[in-house]
Amino acid sequence: KAGVTQTPRYLIKTRGQQVTLSCSPISGHRSVSWYQQTPGQGLQFLFEYFSETQRNKGNFPGRFSGRQFSNSRSEMNVSTLELGDSALYLCASSLIERGTGELFFGEGSRLTVL
Amino acid sequence: GENVEQHPSTLSVQEGDSAVIKCTYSDSASNYFPWYKQELGKRPQLIIDIRSNVGEKKDQRIAVTLNKTAKHFSLHITETQPEDSAVYFCAAVAPGGSQGNLIFGKGTKLSVKP
Repeated sequence: KAGVTQTPRYLIKTRGQQVTLSCSPISGHRSVSWYQQTPGQGLQFLFEYFSETQRNKGNFPGRFSGRQFSNSRSEMNVSTLELGDSALYLCASSLIERGTGELFFGEGSRLTVL
Repeated sequence: GENVEQHPSTLSVQEGDSAVIKCTYSDSASNYFPWYKQELGKRPQLIIDIRSNVGEKKDQRIAVTLNKTAKHFSLHITETQPEDSAVYFCAAVAPGGSQGNLIFGKGTKLSVKP
């Protein structure tokens, strides 16, 4: 069974640009969450989607947005990039219906903002 | 909202010794507490979790204890091995959130010296 796939794995942008990151969850998983990981702040929750609906949103500015498609694939977008947006963005999927609680993480997209 | 504090931030032990990592949470309504292990350059992976109706859970060399009254939970690793070296994150489900919406502690870097 294929794991969670994130693309691109690495990207470099400049301040003011925007970026779109993609996540394909494990087949059959309908819940997708996004986290930002930085050395100083650890793992911070961005948003969670289930059946194309945003269920929860973390404490991030409106420049961070996301969506989920009917095939459960998800994208997140960051507009007007700032230096502080440099981070590893992790996507995770889970099988909420079974209530296992386990999040399966992708390898992440490492964003560098210059 | 929910806040999770994790201590210590770094922990160094000799191979064979035990390691204990402690976390406290702020919202008494939180009912699910997972622990994730992240090896260098890899994705976080669930190693053990506990729900609020259970006080202790074991899985081979790993155990987690939960004290709901004091609002803290701990990870215990016995007979540590070099492959246990990693960053460990505790987490709690945010109030009103689901299992995809975790609030993480800032992590503990465990080093096991051979």
